[in-house]
Amino acid sequence: EAAVTQSPRSKVAVTGGKVTLSCHQTNNHDYMYWYRQDTGHGLRLIHYSYVADSTEKGDIPDGYKASRPSQENFSLILELASLSQTAVYFCASSHWGSSAETLYFGSGTRLTVL
Amino acid sequence: GDSVTQTEGLVTLTKGLPVMLNCTYQTTYSPFLFWYVQHLNEAPKLLLKSSTDNKRTEHQGFYATLHKSSSSFHLQKSSVQLSDSALYFCALSDGTNTGKLTFGDGTVLTVKP
Repeated sequence: EAAVTQSPRSKVAVTGGKVTLSCHQTNNHDYMYWYRQDTGHGLRLIHYSYVADSTEKGDIPDGYKASRPSQENFSLILELASLSQTAVYFCASSHWGSSAETLYFGSGTRLTVL
Repeated sequence: GDSVTQTEGLVTLTKGLPVMLNCTYQTTYSPFLFWYVQHLNEAPKLLLKSSTDNKRTEHQGFYATLHKSSSSFHLQKSSVQLSDSALYFCALSDGTNTGKLTFGDGTVLTVKP
């Protein structure tokens, strides 16, 4: 089964600070995604990537940057963290980008911005 | 744009009873629907998926049938167990071959003894 690991598992950040969330997958998948989960709401796509050194905007990219330095690693960067970015963040990967693809999720990072 | 609606935010049932979690969608593409399940403090995992109209798909005792005529993909189980307590998401592929999904808000299923 696909393995996607996220770090850290939880983080407390100060408003205006820089936050980097990391994701690593070991299954040679081409596609990686960052989703955000807010209490009472579904997952929303922030950024995704289908090849190293390239990232694409998802549905809610404002306030976030992404970096894909290698096929295995995908980071989400909050340059100036804000209170509204308090949420749980999930990284996911898939082998291809077809409509039928199964996404394999990491265990999530709980981010609290104070 | 695409959307997914899950009408129940919270469902509480006694063990052994049947359950149906509702999911309806809107899209201009040919739909591919998914159900993901997230147990407490775990990663979401695929439960089942389908793009075939009027064909029942089953996995781990759960089943769903995509009905394009009513834009629905309801999740059902005939007899819930305590271990079924979890958050269930319905999701829709956007048809652009990028793997991007639109998720519903989720339904928390709590099963009591």
